[in-house]
Amino acid sequence: QLQLVQSGSEVKKPGASVKVSCKGSGYTFAGYKMHWLRHVPGQGLQWMGAMNPESGGTNYAQRLKGRVTMTSDTALNTAFMELRRLEPDDTAVYYCAISWTLEDGIFNFWGQGTLVSVS
Amino acid sequence: DIVMTQSPDSLAVSLGERATITCRSSQNLFYSFNNKNYLAWYQHKSGQRPKLLLYWSSTRASGVPDRFSGSGSGTDFTLTISRLQPEDVAVYFCQQYYSTPRTFGQGTKVEVK
Repeated sequence: QLQLVQSGSEVKKPGASVKVSCKGSGYTFAGYKMHWLRHVPGQGLQWMGAMNPESGGTNYAQRLKGRVTMTSDTALNTAFMELRRLEPDDTAVYYCAISWTLEDGIFNFWGQGTLVSVS
Repeated sequence: DIVMTQSPDSLAVSLGERATITCRSSQNLFYSFNNKNYLAWYQHKSGQRPKLLLYWSSTRASGVPDRFSGSGSGTDFTLTISRLQPEDVAVYFCQQYYSTPRTFGQGTKVEVK
């Protein structure tokens, strides 16, 4: 069955970088954009951006441009999200998600989440 | 960016009773070329991943019980849980996918009274 499995929790100092991975299985990895979102305590869900594994094309949220990079390794069916110059406000649960067989932007499959704590 | 605003921020409903959440968008989410509203609803339980409930404003996702229903068009939408069950305790989010960046409402916490 379709699964998105993310890497484990991270604790980082302000100014550091974090790289979260998301391994897809049970579907054609290169055929679907990988979106990244985060749930910031008290602020709800935020869309961070998306990447096309087939083309490598990316679309980032304006608020994160310059700090975030989304990549993938199609041989490993794995997507990566790197966030640099971390701030305490980046403390959140980070999710990868796809719109499988639905309109892009309807997130029907999610990873289990990766807690990133910055302090 | 399209701003999504939900109300209320929280509500407590007796088991078996109806829960109603509203969502308002700052821009029209109805696309006339296909007669669809680009609005989804998610359920997010503590410690779990978000779960898609409804899309196109009123289409239930696979496996979602029929006590969950959605309505509305343009800028005003509603999620209704017709008979609240204990497993429905969660935070509910609306989300627009009409344009990028995708944006979410701030969430509505549903509890049992």
